[in-house]
Amino acid sequence: EVQLVESGGGLVQPGRSMKLSCAASGFTFNNYDMAWVCQAPKKGLEWVATISYDGSSTYYRDSVKGRFTISRDNAKSTLYLQMDSLRSEDTATYYCARHGWYFDFWGPGTMVTVSS
Amino acid sequence: DIQMTQSPSSMSASLGDTVTITCLASQDIGNYLSWYQQKPGKSPKLMIYGATNLEDGVPSRFSGSRSGSDYSLTINSLGYDDEGIYHCHQYYEYPLTFGSGTKLEIK
Repeated sequence: EVQLVESGGGLVQPGRSMKLSCAASGFTFNNYDMAWVCQAPKKGLEWVATISYDGSSTYYRDSVKGRFTISRDNAKSTLYLQMDSLRSEDTATYYCARHGWYFDFWGPGTMVTVSS
Repeated sequence: DIQMTQSPSSMSASLGDTVTITCLASQDIGNYLSWYQQKPGKSPKLMIYGATNLEDGVPSRFSGSRSGSDYSLTINSLGYDDEGIYHCHQYYEYPLTFGSGTKLEIK
């Protein structure tokens, strides 16, 4: 059974950093691209970033370029999202998702609140 | 960026009804369109991919269609379990984008 479990969310002050993790199991992690998708409270879904199966390619939405870094450790079957220079508008639930062409499996999400 | 205009934003229907949710793509995305169902407090669940293909385990009451740049999700024989928010998503090109969501309430 495919499982994705995010961790690392919480309350953080504007301008500070936070690192999210996503532990994957139930599939061959290094065969799949992976992604982060976020959802602000009562809002729609927004794609954040994608990393290729081997980590050689990364893609970001414009609003996080230069502030967020997606990475992976295939030996640990773990996906990461390093978030720097956080802003109030980054407040959202962050989902880890397996990214074939579309997002076929999602984790339960971890909430990030950026507030002083 | 490709804009996905989703309608309606919310709707209410009765048990057994048939409903249709639509997404209009701002440019050609071929069949690179998926639909997700999201229950309150839960993560999205893939329902349809490739505009018309039903994900494994999804009831056949759900179907997807395409007419030009208009994409539709139709749900037949509505049940209480179909209540939730439905999102369309284009994966034709980066940045990947979603529709604004449709909240479906069962009366």
